[in-house]
Amino acid sequence: NAGVTQTPKFQVLKTGQSMTLQCAQDMNHNSMYWYRQDPGMGLRLIYYSASEGTTDKGEVPNGYNVSRLNKREFSLRLESAAPSQTSVYFCASSPGTGIEQYFGPGTRLTVT
Amino acid sequence: EDQVTQSPEALRLQEGESSSLNCSYTVSGLRGLFWYRQDPGKGPEFLFTLYSAGEEKEKERLKATLTKKESFLHITAPKPEDSATYLCAVQGSNYQLIWGAGTKLIIKP
Repeated sequence: NAGVTQTPKFQVLKTGQSMTLQCAQDMNHNSMYWYRQDPGMGLRLIYYSASEGTTDKGEVPNGYNVSRLNKREFSLRLESAAPSQTSVYFCASSPGTGIEQYFGPGTRLTVT
Repeated sequence: EDQVTQSPEALRLQEGESSSLNCSYTVSGLRGLFWYRQDPGKGPEFLFTLYSAGEEKEKERLKATLTKKESFLHITAPKPEDSATYLCAVQGSNYQLIWGAGTKLIIKP
């Protein structure tokens, strides 16, 4: 039981490049989330998917898109990376909304 | 506006020296307050959920309590392996979690 897995673990991009962060969970959870974590700040929600087939914007969605590929997988895409998107990105899942979330190990992204 | 403030930002203790971390919040319609532990370079790890004022939860050397305005994470006789950043989050009426910036706890042997 791997829990929540994320790929890649590290990535360096140049301004304007695009990339997709992958996330998968094997806990049969309905809800999945993407957060970013910056020094001195709390985790901020980018997008979430309450259930398969639905996605909604969180607190900081600008510059990002998501796809809930199936119940297990939830990807985050940066279409044109900017230095302000340098951050650590975490994917999380939970059985439903209002219940504790389980996090992946994170992706450390640097945009130069 | 929903808000979570954690204090102190950092706390250094000697092994065995008990203390408390604070999480104060303002939220419309509290649905739950969550405590997580985060080790360097890793994702947050769930510890507790508290739903109503007066509720308490315990796990080993940790005890979480909740009032209408704040939560405390009490650490009794801590060990070096308790060193981590402790995160607090609240869930309001829109179901989204609002996170505090965390308290970095360092336990010296």
